[in-house]
Amino acid sequence: AQSVSQHNHHVILSEAASLELGCNYSYGGTVNLFWYVQYPGQHLQLLLKYFSGDPLVKGIKGFEAEFIKSKFSFNLRKPSVQWSDTAEYFCAVVNTGFQKLVFGTGTRLLVSP
Amino acid sequence: DAMVIQNPRYQVTQFGKPVTLSCSQTLNHNVMYWYQQKSSQAPKLLFHYYDKDFNNEADTPDNFQSRRPNTSFCFLDIRSPGLGDAAMYLCATRPVGGQGVTGANVLTFGAGSRLTVL
Repeated sequence: AQSVSQHNHHVILSEAASLELGCNYSYGGTVNLFWYVQYPGQHLQLLLKYFSGDPLVKGIKGFEAEFIKSKFSFNLRKPSVQWSDTAEYFCAVVNTGFQKLVFGTGTRLLVSP
Repeated sequence: DAMVIQNPRYQVTQFGKPVTLSCSQTLNHNVMYWYQQKSSQAPKLLFHYYDKDFNNEADTPDNFQSRRPNTSFCFLDIRSPGLGDAAMYLCATRPVGGQGVTGANVLTFGAGSRLTVL
């Protein structure tokens, strides 16, 4: 069964610091990868996705993620975080036979002004 | 705007008193999902519909049932809520199609229904 691991459960950064959140998945087949963000009191929103092609994908709000197939990883990055990036971030994976999206346990990011 | 709408946003019920949560979508997506998200945990898939075909996760308790009377609506019924069922319940939809289809394999989530069990 596919699974997703997010190594950092809580991250605290100051504004303008760089961010990298780790994500590893277990499925060995062809996958689609996603990062979702959940701002306080709001619903899950898609941040970015990887289907195929360039392994470096860019999403909204200056976020990007790099798919490294050999490492089964899809880490999320942002060069300079803002206070408004305070949220919970979920990595998710589906196999391309797609029936269900499996989430990681999430990383709660707190950005202090 | 086309979206996924969940009602109610907040539901308080008593231990053992049945609850129904609803989800409607204007996206005309074929697939609808119900996830349970407990505090500080990842969303956990309960079941999903592929059109009218119902797919239950193996570890979803029998206490949870679902109905999809038409493409637009899907309901989650909790027959006898226990304290452990207190959670946020998320509905999501996606279109059917290959990766060439716009939005394929991307779930659109509703705002969720937060269930409190007293």
